[in-house]
Amino acid sequence: EAQVTQNPRYLITVTGKKLTVTCSQNMNHEYMSWYRQDPGLGLRQIYYSMNVEVTDKGDVPEGYKVSRKEKRNFPLILESPSPNQTSLYFCASSPRVAQETQYFGPGTRLLVL
Amino acid sequence: ELKVEQNPLFLSMQEGKNYTIYCNYSTTSDRLYWYRQDPGKSLESLFVLLSNGAVKQEGRLMASLDTKARLSTLHITAAVHDLSATYFCAVPNYGGATNKLIFGTGTLLAVQP
Repeated sequence: EAQVTQNPRYLITVTGKKLTVTCSQNMNHEYMSWYRQDPGLGLRQIYYSMNVEVTDKGDVPEGYKVSRKEKRNFPLILESPSPNQTSLYFCASSPRVAQETQYFGPGTRLLVL
Repeated sequence: ELKVEQNPLFLSMQEGKNYTIYCNYSTTSDRLYWYRQDPGKSLESLFVLLSNGAVKQEGRLMASLDTKARLSTLHITAAVHDLSATYFCAVPNYGGATNKLIFGTGTLLAVQP
């Protein structure tokens, strides 16, 4: 089944404790992206990747890192999480570019205490 | 900078009634996407509208695009409870350094029996 998977789905952590949210897609898509969703603010892009080893900042990259060493995986790293990073995070992918239909993962709900 | 606005932000309607959700965007685009998000779930692609005058229909939902007016509508016919969800429109950003979809803030639709 074609899909985007994320892990973990739910995470409670404390300020400053490094964490990684994994994202994987099995559709051989080149484009991958991370969004955060907050009430009243809609979806905002954090980082995106056009292909392996090609990543760039979105609208709200501060406090986040990403890497794209393999085509299928695009992990999101929070080196030192803070409470303002409490949010619902979505990974998405599309065949080549952002302008195509994006397929979303199930979401990761993060609470930073 | 591309901005995407939806209205209304919240819509409570009775089963059997018709209503329309509006999506305005600020700069030229050749396509527009509609997504659905059920509570606590991920985003699911509903429609992609690829040209001026494009109309797509699935079940009780019909979407249209007027690129000249920079307006898309999502029309709901004879609403049923199963349509309760948040609906997002999204427009691709072609300008600048970023490569992304710009999402509206969403319309929360609640269909009451």
